[in-house]
Amino acid sequence: GESVGLHLPTLSVQEGDNSIINCAYSNSASDYFIWYKQESGKGPQFIIDIRSNMDKRQGQRVTVLLNKTVKHLSLQIAATQPGDSAVYFCAEIANDYKLSFGAGTTVTVRA
Amino acid sequence: NAGVMQNPRHLVRRRGQEARLRCSPMKGHSHVYWYRQLPEEGLKFMVYLQKENIIDESGMPKERFSAEFPKEGPSILRIQQVVRGDSAAYFCASSYGQGREKLFFGSGTQLSVL
Repeated sequence: GESVGLHLPTLSVQEGDNSIINCAYSNSASDYFIWYKQESGKGPQFIIDIRSNMDKRQGQRVTVLLNKTVKHLSLQIAATQPGDSAVYFCAEIANDYKLSFGAGTTVTVRA
Repeated sequence: NAGVMQNPRHLVRRRGQEARLRCSPMKGHSHVYWYRQLPEEGLKFMVYLQKENIIDESGMPKERFSAEFPKEGPSILRIQQVVRGDSAAYFCASSYGQGREKLFFGSGTQLSVL
């Protein structure tokens, strides 16, 4: 069964606001997590990753937080823009190389 | 430097026909992965290949599905005697090495079985 899941299937955000996308996982052995962005008709695009020995990592306008105690991962997008509208997937790797994807959260940015 | 190239982008087949999906990894990448995505779902791992070797095919159905990554040319995912349930988006990804590596995905092949 799925070991990675998302709390909400859709998220509507006002342009300029911050977005928070959540993800829960159940496999304690997972030690590497990745967020992907998928636009309509395209393949997943790498956003940011984090290893289990970290609890926070920042990129350009994005921050990933990892809480291993409650097996929770989040992606924060600062100053959300129309181009951020997409489906966002969290994915995990445990002990090998196979990515396990959650079902995705659809983010819609309102102008 | 082209990314992962998949073709065709769209493939329509009738039940019982064969589907051949192609994937050219990024230059310098020797690890290829195939994933399948059903509507409104995440991607599911199918098979992992290196040049001339199938490393892990645990996510691929035992029957009708096969994959190869020859020494020369693209990786091929082959589905024989397609059924309607095979309709999905098939994505290929490549990486330079194995394991905790960034996977770069292609744009996918949308297979529709009539």
